[in-house]
Amino acid sequence: GEKVEQHESTLSVREGDSAVINCTYTDTASSYFPWYKQEAGKSLHFVIDIRSNVDRKQSQRLIVLLDKKAKRFSLHITATQPEDSAIYFCAASTSNNRIFFGDGTQLVVKP
Amino acid sequence: NAGVIQTPRHKVTGKGQEATLWCEPISGHSAVFWYRQTIVQGLEFLTYFRNQAPIDDSGMPKERFSAQMPNQSHSTLKIQSTQPQDSAVYLCASSLGGANTEVFFGRGTRLTVV
Repeated sequence: GEKVEQHESTLSVREGDSAVINCTYTDTASSYFPWYKQEAGKSLHFVIDIRSNVDRKQSQRLIVLLDKKAKRFSLHITATQPEDSAIYFCAASTSNNRIFFGDGTQLVVKP
Repeated sequence: NAGVIQTPRHKVTGKGQEATLWCEPISGHSAVFWYRQTIVQGLEFLTYFRNQAPIDDSGMPKERFSAQMPNQSHSTLKIQSTQPQDSAVYLCASSLGGANTEVFFGRGTRLTVV
C-alpha cells in the first residue's frame, strides 16, 4: 500500500518567516494530496489540497507544490503567524478515497 | 452545518469491557471513514463505508473490532473485550464520496482502557 513520509518531525521558525514541510509518497496511483492542521487538543482541520493534474496551488499564505516524477510534495506557509503553530499532516490518496497520512510535523512559530 | 459529530467525546472502560463509539457524518455525505490516532502509531486507517456499504476494512484489527453503518446518518465502531493498547483517539470522517474530495473529520472520541 501507499506510504507517506513526512520529513520534518519538528520545525521552528520566527514569525514572518516562511515554513516548508516536505513529504514523499510511494504509490504512483496517488492523485490527491490534502494537508491537515491539528491544534492542541483538537481534531484535524483541512487546510489545502492539490490534485495530480497540477503542480502548484496557492491559497492565501499557503502554497502546495507537487513533483510527480519525484513523488514529492510540499507545503509552504509564507509570512508565518503564531496562530500557524500546530501539527501539520500531509496525506496521499488514490481514487478509492482511502487517505494515507504522514506522521505529522510540529510547527512552532516564535513571536 | 454541525460537522461530523462523534459521541462520546471521552470514554473510559475497564479491560475486557465493550466500547461502542458513535459517529454522525455530515448530512449528504456518502463516505464515512474511521481512523485511530495514537502518539506511537500516528493516524491509522481502520475502515471505510460508501453509501452505507463497507468498502475497505483492511485496517481493522480482525478479532475484536467491528463497524456498522445501519443508515446514512450514523456509523458505529464497536470494540469487544477492550485492551489497554486500544486506548487512542478514534476519529470519524466523512466526505461527499467522489474521488479526491475533501474529507472532514470529527473531534474524535478519546478511549481510555484501564
